[in-house]
Amino acid sequence: KNQVEQSPQSLIILEGKNCTLQCNYTVSPFSNLRWYKQDTGRGPVSLTIMTFSENTKSNGRYTATLDADTKQSSLHITASQLSDSASYICVVSLGSYQKVTFGTGTKLQVIP
Amino acid sequence: DTGVSQNPRHKITKRGQNVTFRCDPISEHNRLYWYRQTLGQGPEFLTYFQNEAQLEKSRLLSDRFSAERPKGSFSTLEIQRTEQGDSAMYLCASSLDRGSSYNSPLHFGNGTRLTVT
Repeated sequence: KNQVEQSPQSLIILEGKNCTLQCNYTVSPFSNLRWYKQDTGRGPVSLTIMTFSENTKSNGRYTATLDADTKQSSLHITASQLSDSASYICVVSLGSYQKVTFGTGTKLQVIP
Repeated sequence: DTGVSQNPRHKITKRGQNVTFRCDPISEHNRLYWYRQTLGQGPEFLTYFQNEAQLEKSRLLSDRFSAERPKGSFSTLEIQRTEQGDSAMYLCASSLDRGSSYNSPLHFGNGTRLTVT
């Protein structure tokens, strides 16, 4: 069973709208959580990193939140653009040697 | 371009053939990872190197798979006697590890897409 679950599996939104992607994890011990963006046919690219003590972090139009008590994270995308169409993958790292567990991703499609 | 480079981008092979993929990480990165990704799924960990030492291998990495990083720089992933189930995107990533207190992001290449017919 995957220890990092993402929802929704896929999402279609209109250009300019906001959206929120969810990530629930059971991975332990927790080191950090990252969100990656993966365009079709390309490797994932890191958007944000959050450690145990951080609650929120922004990177431009992307804002990630983390609740370490409930083991939930979200990625909020503001004023979506067509170029935001991609898969968004939540990645949780364990311990000190950076063993990572990937979620299955949310496939976002932004339409005009 | 100083990112992670993978070659070839695409490989089509017949079942039973051997294939080898190459990954050139970011030059100062001491860690190198191999992942496999199938359609609609997140990447699955295969193995990783700290410099030239292979420190961990996933149970997904059967005896037909072997990875090397002979000089602690580039790495190769070889699949022997390929099977149709090996068809996937093989991703390489690298990172700079400075100890447990520093969490360097993984920098991914664009992958090698393998199709076994």
